[in-house]
Amino acid sequence: EPEVTQTPSHQVTQMGQEVILRCVPISNHLYFYWYRQILGQKVEFLVSFYNNEISEKSEIFDDQFSVERPDGSNFTLKIRSTKLEDSAMYFCASSEWGSQPQHFGDGTRLSIL
Amino acid sequence: ELKVEQNPLFLSMQEGKNYTIYCNYSTTSDRLYWYRQDPGKSLESLFVLLSNGAVKQEGRLMASLDTKARLSTLHITAAVHDLSATYFCAVEDRGGGADGLTFGKGTHLIIQP
Repeated sequence: EPEVTQTPSHQVTQMGQEVILRCVPISNHLYFYWYRQILGQKVEFLVSFYNNEISEKSEIFDDQFSVERPDGSNFTLKIRSTKLEDSAMYFCASSEWGSQPQHFGDGTRLSIL
Repeated sequence: ELKVEQNPLFLSMQEGKNYTIYCNYSTTSDRLYWYRQDPGKSLESLFVLLSNGAVKQEGRLMASLDTKARLSTLHITAAVHDLSATYFCAVEDRGGGADGLTFGKGTHLIIQP
């Protein structure tokens, strides 16, 4: 069964550094999303992406965050200058159409020191 | 602001028993999703409910949606240990596009022999 793949599985970074989290959505999916989950808390929406542009973003997705689809398969989340509170599990998801189940990757655990 | 509330947040039950998890939300959305998350793992899509009165069943789990009451339920029949996990409901606010999902806090379910 096709799946969303994320790399790396764990990223450790010094505060203030830039990080790029990578995702390969399911190949025939058109909608892409990033979510985060702080340890023990609920899943929070960050941003959605469709037709090579941001469709919707939450208040969490401030100027420190950006997303990009650099080629036909990858979808990336960049955090420009990481803060301690950015430590969380980051999930990428994709869906074939809107209002369809979003399929989640296994996540990248981001630890900011 | 869309709010999604689940209860209970923690549930310990015995194998063979029945129980219901409730999900209330604050918008007029008719698009609701249930996900399962095992510890340290990703989110697995369980059910997609896209209209008032929708009912979906898979094995010992059954989900329903009442858009007028803004309520969804996840019913567990004759629970078995393998169903131990955290269950999240998530609501899509506007629908029809790349909408981010708003998740509840999750119900941590432990099923004891």
